[in-house]
Amino acid sequence: DTEVTQTPKHLVMGMTNKKSLKCEQHMGHRAMYWYKQKAKKPPELMFVYSYEKLSINESVPSRFSPECPNSSLLNLHLHALQPEDSALYLCASSPWGISSNQPQHFGDGTRLSIL
Amino acid sequence: QQQVKQSPQSLIVQKGGISIINCAYENTAFDYFPWYQQFPGKGPALLIAIRPDVSEKKEGRFTISFNKSAKQFSLHIMDSQPGDSATYFCAASTAGGGNKLTFGTGTQLKVEL
Repeated sequence: DTEVTQTPKHLVMGMTNKKSLKCEQHMGHRAMYWYKQKAKKPPELMFVYSYEKLSINESVPSRFSPECPNSSLLNLHLHALQPEDSALYLCASSPWGISSNQPQHFGDGTRLSIL
Repeated sequence: QQQVKQSPQSLIVQKGGISIINCAYENTAFDYFPWYQQFPGKGPALLIAIRPDVSEKKEGRFTISFNKSAKQFSLHIMDSQPGDSATYFCAASTAGGGNKLTFGTGTQLKVEL
């Protein structure tokens, strides 16, 4: 079992729906990440929060909206997604913010399908 | 210059054999090199990582070899087992780079009985 928990595991939504993905970690980590992964491809970084502040946005379309309510929780709000947004969305965390290189621990992801 | 090139794309190894996956990079500012293992339906799991002041690191059956002058690093899986069948990603990041990982394209490993 991973220590980064993502819910839901699967999500099917229409292009006009609004939904949210949730990520929790209780390891006391201070940086949290959202990645998008297409089949047979490596993860692509979307957002990074360090000490609950958005530190990196990799030019992600505004239909994806991240939120970090506290140091243990990370949300990704979805609205008006496109079929090409169907992918595995991964959350990760690392211990000490982003000022140094350190291991990232991934959750098992949310498999998102856009109809 | 930010790319990490990974080879082979896929690999079939007999049980008990050695699996070798190679990565090469151009950016000399990279200073952290982790390997991730990903099973179908699961997230990537950190396997082993190395920094450029070390030429080799071993953890159990997994060894990273690092050649700074050649800008290459590789993962060796000794005594490969069917349970090792997974996709392996090498990655690299730079100090002060926001802990952003540049991933290789992945290697699909199958270990046959």
